[in-house]
Amino acid sequence: AQSVSQHNHHVILSEAASLELGCNYSYGGTVNLFWYVQYPGQHLQLLLKYFSGDPLVKGIKGFEAEFIKSKFSFNLRKPSVQWSDTAEYFCAVNAKSSASKIIFGSGTRLSIRP
Amino acid sequence: EPEVTQTPSHQVTQMGQEVILRCVPISNHLYFYWYRQILGQKVEFLVSFYNNEISEKSEIFDDQFSVERPDGSNFTLKIRSTKLEDSAMYFCASSERQYGYTFGSGTRLTVV
Repeated sequence: AQSVSQHNHHVILSEAASLELGCNYSYGGTVNLFWYVQYPGQHLQLLLKYFSGDPLVKGIKGFEAEFIKSKFSFNLRKPSVQWSDTAEYFCAVNAKSSASKIIFGSGTRLSIRP
Repeated sequence: EPEVTQTPSHQVTQMGQEVILRCVPISNHLYFYWYRQILGQKVEFLVSFYNNEISEKSEIFDDQFSVERPDGSNFTLKIRSTKLEDSAMYFCASSERQYGYTFGSGTRLTVV
């Protein structure tokens, strides 16, 4: 069965600090990988996705993620965070087949100190 | 940019009542989904729907729940005999195969 692990439940950083949020997945086949963000009181928004090709994926708002197949990881990074990045971040995976369900990790709450 | 629209944004209902949550998926999408997020917990898959039938459902999606695409544009989730623990944010999503997986803004259901 597919599963997604996000080991950091709550991360607190100061503005301009660098960010890396860990994500590991478990699945026996090939997958698509996603990072979603949920700002306070808002809906899920797609930050970036990996389907194939270059394992370093660039998304919106300066975020990027690297797919390391050997480690089953898809960590999210941003070189310099802003207060507006305060949100919940969800890593997610689905099987590379016809529009299969997305499985979400438990989320990482990111708090940025101004 | 095309959006998935959900109504209402917030629904309050008495325990034991039936609720219908409505979604309008993106027009050229063929696959439809419902997810829920209980406050403070992760987003959980409920059901997927394709070609006018359920293609997959989770163990959460029991006989209390049903989905329907009544008119070719709306996609509804019905919850019968609501319980306190059904209080959650319910998200609709649609996709065009493995691409373009788009979530709606959610309906917050509060059962009192």
